[in-house]
Amino acid sequence: GDSVTQMEGPVTLSEEAFLTINCTYTATGYPSLFWYVQYPGEGLQLLLKATKADDKGSNKGFEATYRKETTSFHLEKGSVQVSDSAVYFCALSAYLIQGAQKLVFGQGTRLTINP
Amino acid sequence: DVKVTQSSRYLVKRTGEKVFLECVQDMDHENMFWYRQDPGLGLRLIYFSYDVKMKEKGDIPEGYSVSREKKERFSLILESASTNQTSMYLCASTPLTGVLTDTQYFGPGTRLTVL
Repeated sequence: GDSVTQMEGPVTLSEEAFLTINCTYTATGYPSLFWYVQYPGEGLQLLLKATKADDKGSNKGFEATYRKETTSFHLEKGSVQVSDSAVYFCALSAYLIQGAQKLVFGQGTRLTINP
Repeated sequence: DVKVTQSSRYLVKRTGEKVFLECVQDMDHENMFWYRQDPGLGLRLIYFSYDVKMKEKGDIPEGYSVSREKKERFSLILESASTNQTSMYLCASTPLTGVLTDTQYFGPGTRLTVL
C-alpha cells in the first residue's frame, strides 16, 4: 500500500541554519504530495503542496520539489527562525471512493530552533 | 478561509464511558474525515464520510463509529472508551470538486485521555 517515510527526529538547529527534512514515498499512481505543519497546541496547517512530477511547492521560505525518479519530496529552508519550531508532516493523497481522497502521513519530524 | 472546529480541545473520560467528539466545518465540503495522531505513527484515518449519512471505514476503525446527519457536522463515537484510545483526534474536510479536492483542512484537535 501507499506509505510515506520521513527522517527521524527530533531535529535541533540554530537560528539562520539551513534546514532539510527528508521525505520519501511509495505509491501507486501519481499522488499529490504535501507538507503540513503543526505548531504547539494547534491542528495541522497546510505548508505547501505539489501535484505532479517536477513541481515545486513553496511557502513562507520553505520549498519542496516533487521528484518522481527518486520518489522524494524533501523540505528545505535556507534560514530558519525560532518561529519555525513545530512538527512537520509529509503526506501523499490516495483515492478512496466516490471521489474522496485521504492523506497518508509520515510519522512527523519535530523541529526545534534555538536562538 | 475554511474553518473546521472541534467541540473540545481537551477531554478526560473513564474506561467504559461513551464518548462523542464533534466536528463542524463551514465551507460546505462534502468530504469529512477523522484521524488519530500518535507519536511516531503520524496520523491514521479512522473513518470518513463523502455525503450525509454515508460513511466508510478507514485504516483503524475498530472501537469507533461515526455519524453524519448534517453536511457540516461529523461526529466520532467511542462506544466504550478504553485506555488505548488515549490520543489526539483530528477532524478534516475537503470539497468534492474543484482543484482543492486533495487538500485537507484540519480542525485544532481534541486531546482525549481515557483513565
